[in-house]
Amino acid sequence: QSALTQPRSVSGSPGQSVTISCTGTSSDVGGYNYVSWYQQHPGKAPKLMIYDVSKRPSGVPDRFSGSKSGNTASLTISGLQAEDEADYYCCSYAGSYSLVFGGGTKLTVL
Amino acid sequence: EVQLVESGGGLVQPGGSLRLSCAASGFTFSSYWMHWVRQAPGKGLVWVSRISSDGSATYYADSVKGRFTISRDNAKNTLSLQMNSLRAEDTAVYYCTSGSTVTSYYWGQGTLVTVSS
Repeated sequence: QSALTQPRSVSGSPGQSVTISCTGTSSDVGGYNYVSWYQQHPGKAPKLMIYDVSKRPSGVPDRFSGSKSGNTASLTISGLQAEDEADYYCCSYAGSYSLVFGGGTKLTVL
Repeated sequence: EVQLVESGGGLVQPGGSLRLSCAASGFTFSSYWMHWVRQAPGKGLVWVSRISSDGSATYYADSVKGRFTISRDNAKNTLSLQMNSLRAEDTAVYYCTSGSTVTSYYWGQGTLVTVSS
């Protein structure tokens, strides 16, 4: 399976909102409501931020939200904070019992 | 507190074998699917394999199918990944994760596997 397509980088100023896209096909993102998003700070393990497209685990701020339209999923971070600067990865069920990640997006808080 | 601690990484020659382990604590291990996800140096995350809560179902990425074997011991709260016929492109940090069949709720800190002569 090919990796899902994410922008290499996005940026925003503190307090602003940013949206990270994750584009796949009807065989993965578009075919199932099983998209998750992970945050990874440098040298650290990833952390689950969103699952099942739009569900937020306990402890994740409500500034983080997820959505999906067709073959593209999106992660929106509102009220940007300095600690949000990290790499973000989307992941989708891709059928045939496989999972596929996106290439990752580096978020810079200006 | 959920803890996942990987071990067994190291330097291995191409064609060699390595067995990774993951010790789990702080949750009911036998109730959750477990996954291995890897990350090559400076690269993105790649799903490798997953196993059902009772160990009866296992799935693999095409890139490792036939070479890697995932297993678990629910009595010892341990997850394993037997890696055979290792290639240079298998070089990565390997993360053990717990969750559902399609989501990794918790991640370990990872163990580095380097395949090189």
